[in-house]
Amino acid sequence: DAGVIQSPRHEVTEMGQEVTLRCKPISGHNSLFWYRQTMMRGLELLIYFNNNVPIDDSGMPEDRFSAKMPNASFSTLKIQPSEPRDSAVYFCASSFNLGSPLHFGNGTRLTVT
Amino acid sequence: DAKTTQPTSMDCAEGRAANLPCNHSTISGNEYVYWYRQIHSQGPQYIIHGLKNNETNEMASLIITEDRKSSTLILPHATLRDTAVYYCIVRVGAGTSYGKLTFGQGTILTVHP
Repeated sequence: DAGVIQSPRHEVTEMGQEVTLRCKPISGHNSLFWYRQTMMRGLELLIYFNNNVPIDDSGMPEDRFSAKMPNASFSTLKIQPSEPRDSAVYFCASSFNLGSPLHFGNGTRLTVT
Repeated sequence: DAKTTQPTSMDCAEGRAANLPCNHSTISGNEYVYWYRQIHSQGPQYIIHGLKNNETNEMASLIITEDRKSSTLILPHATLRDTAVYYCIVRVGAGTSYGKLTFGQGTILTVHP
């Protein structure tokens, strides 16, 4: 079991650039979650999918953020344009179904300068 | 989801039991109690969950009071590797918010030699 795989582990970019974070959920899991963690706000749920369909995106901070899940084995979180306040660790998690425990990846640390 | 209250920090001696309390006085009948932990620089890790009965697995035990307004996570023989932030989360089992896992600030558990 490879677990949830996120890439890249670290991303440093300049303000205004487009950033794409990637996630491969555990095979067979039907639900996928994107979280963001900062010192000030802790862990925040951004969006989650069930069977590749977005269920709740109320946590997405603004239109600069978008997430897609084109198939059961891949999801992206895109920020365009990026801003320094987007600097955080972004976690992807998957679960067998919506009511099952979440399994988290090791995150992508994003720094926007 | 019901709000939870946890102590900010706790200490425990290595080899002793760590008992982490959580108050969730506004919990509803269809809400589960979940525990996760986050070791530094890693994604959160699922520990255990329960509805109303006490639960035990290879990692920990979960004791839920009869009125379900509070619970205790027990690590029977704490090791240095158990030093982490422990999150108590109340999660709905059905309805429009089904699937959402909302993290609070958690308890910083420090296990010392």
